[in-house]
Amino acid sequence: GENVEQHPSTLSVQEGDSAVIKCTYSDSASNYFPWYKQELGKRPQLIIDIRSNVGEKKDQRIAVTLNKTAKHFSLHITETQPEDSAVYFCAADGGYNKLIFGAGTRLAVHP
Amino acid sequence: DSGVTQTPKHLITATGQRVTLRCSPRSGDLSVYWYQQSLDQGLQFLIQYYNGEERAKGNILERFSAQQFPDLHSELNLSSLELGDSALYFCASSATSGSPGELFFGEGSRLTVL
Repeated sequence: GENVEQHPSTLSVQEGDSAVIKCTYSDSASNYFPWYKQELGKRPQLIIDIRSNVGEKKDQRIAVTLNKTAKHFSLHITETQPEDSAVYFCAADGGYNKLIFGAGTRLAVHP
Repeated sequence: DSGVTQTPKHLITATGQRVTLRCSPRSGDLSVYWYQQSLDQGLQFLIQYYNGEERAKGNILERFSAQQFPDLHSELNLSSLELGDSALYFCASSATSGSPGELFFGEGSRLTVL
């Protein structure tokens, strides 16, 4: 089945810096790669997703890139703000629309 | 508000006991997913139902079982509870039956086993 690895597990940046989180997946049949943000004590919420027919997608300060050949995808957050502090999860579809999640990255943005 | 309702929000019980967690999906969503999140851990996929039928199974223990009822709500039953079962259990729902799409998560049920 699908396996997703995520790095780094923790990331600390200064406000205004960029943050990059990387994920790799194992199943070449996967074609949907979402990113979820989970604030402390809250539910995970989708922030951006990308499908395998697209190499890059942007939404304001966040962007996701996908390299199907290498089976990896990345989340880029520019001009980070304190409210970006949260745990970020990447995921890949593991068949039947279920999502297999990475272990998460705890991002801390310091003012 | 995601539209997914989970009850109870918090549950404290003892080892060896059995509990039932309940989930009501968003109106119109046919798929329900259960995930387990242990302290400072990721989201582990447990099981998925689609329109009343089991669709996919993940790392779900034999002590755990689930079902989806005709009104599409779902229940996750956890029995012979152990300390290690303490976790946040999320239910999610989605509308898509073909290509994968967004999962809408409930607020979770926090289970503490003492």
